[in-house]
Amino acid sequence: DAGVIQSPRHEVTEMGQEVTLRCKPISGHNSLFWYRQTMMRGLELLIYFNNNVPIDDSGMPEDRFSAKMPNASFSTLKIQPSEPRDSAVYFCASSQLRPGDTQYFGPGTRLTVL
Amino acid sequence: DQQVKQNSPSLSVQEGRISILNCDYTNSMFDYFLWYKKYPAEGPTFLISISSIKDKNEDGRFTVFLNKSAKHLSLHIVPSQPGDSAVYFCAAGVSGSARQLTFGSGTQLTVLP
Repeated sequence: DAGVIQSPRHEVTEMGQEVTLRCKPISGHNSLFWYRQTMMRGLELLIYFNNNVPIDDSGMPEDRFSAKMPNASFSTLKIQPSEPRDSAVYFCASSQLRPGDTQYFGPGTRLTVL
Repeated sequence: DQQVKQNSPSLSVQEGRISILNCDYTNSMFDYFLWYKKYPAEGPTFLISISSIKDKNEDGRFTVFLNKSAKHLSLHIVPSQPGDSAVYFCAAGVSGSARQLTFGSGTQLTVLP
């Protein structure tokens, strides 16, 4: 299996622009998670989906952030408009809904908003 | 409110010696705990886990200890190797829920040759 795939790996954009991050979970996994890593706050959970349905988006910082999972093999995290404080590494992870199962992380997208 | 805390942002250890990474939690509902390792420019990778029904789990050079009364867990690496140099994240969750994990802020381990 190729593991969790994220694109792009690096994104540099200007303040006010729309940014879309993409994730392909591991085939057969039915939970998908979006995290943000910053020096100050470590790994923060933004939102997660079970069976393509958003379960908890309380970690999404504000209305500028939105996430979708139109099918079991694809998810997007969109920031519109982007701000410099959104600069961070964004990780996608997937897992199965099975006792003791762990989350498998993608390589992350490093976002820089100028 | 940080429910999972890793109070040491960094740790340096000599090769061959023991590395001990610590983690504290506040939510008594947590009943399973995991350690992840992260290299630069990569995503975190699962290392070892422990259920609250145990107080110790061992996998090769890695052992996780859980002290439920103190709400404390630790990861021991023996012997430490330079390739172990990475950021280690502690995570906790509630089984039977939607499998959401709460992560600590991470500890940078440097193993000196």
